[in-house]
Amino acid sequence: NAGVTQTPKFRILKIGQSMTLQCTQDMNHNYMYWYRQDPGMGLKLIYYSVGAGITDKGEVPNGYNVSRSTTEDFPLRLELAAPSQTSVYFCASSAYPSGISNQPQHFGDGTRLSIL
Amino acid sequence: GNSVTQMEGPVTLSEEAFLTINCTYTATGYPSLFWYVQYPGEGLQLLLKATKADDKGSNKGFEATYRKETTSFHLEKGSVQVSDSAVYFCALSLNAGGTSYGKLTFGQGTILTVHP
Repeated sequence: NAGVTQTPKFRILKIGQSMTLQCTQDMNHNYMYWYRQDPGMGLKLIYYSVGAGITDKGEVPNGYNVSRSTTEDFPLRLELAAPSQTSVYFCASSAYPSGISNQPQHFGDGTRLSIL
Repeated sequence: GNSVTQMEGPVTLSEEAFLTINCTYTATGYPSLFWYVQYPGEGLQLLLKATKADDKGSNKGFEATYRKETTSFHLEKGSVQVSDSAVYFCALSLNAGGTSYGKLTFGQGTILTVHP
């Protein structure tokens, strides 16, 4: 029962480098989300997807890009890493929107990213 | 806009003490309300939920009642254990009749530490 799997768990980047945070889920969920968690700030939505080929911006999308070529995968890309992107990143998925059917979002264990 | 405000932490209690973590919200429309818990080094897990006014969510001895008149969803537990030490997040999701797509709005989180 893998659920939502994120890789890597930890990463240190230099300013200006790029990287992709991987997220995959094996529950056949249509809805997927990327959040960042900053200390004392809760989680903020970066991007979300309602199905393969469909993505949209969340609350804090600047500096990030996403794609959704399959139902299972929802990678998050940082093109030019900046210190402000130091954070813990969580990927989540749900079968339906949480508001409609009360379906919870299932979260991965997170990727801790430091930009130096 | 939508927002969730939690009581500031951290909260430190002795085992078997009574716990209350306050949560209030503002929302356009009729949200579903959730409490998520994050144990050290892990992702968020759904603890309980409520979808309409006066609903009570409960799980693992935790309870929260959806109070529309006070726009609150306070988390309570009668007797906490050391294993309850974690970060607790209150969140809302608007029922997706339009473009909310089940996006969650989180509070800032409350760190709970329970000592033996």
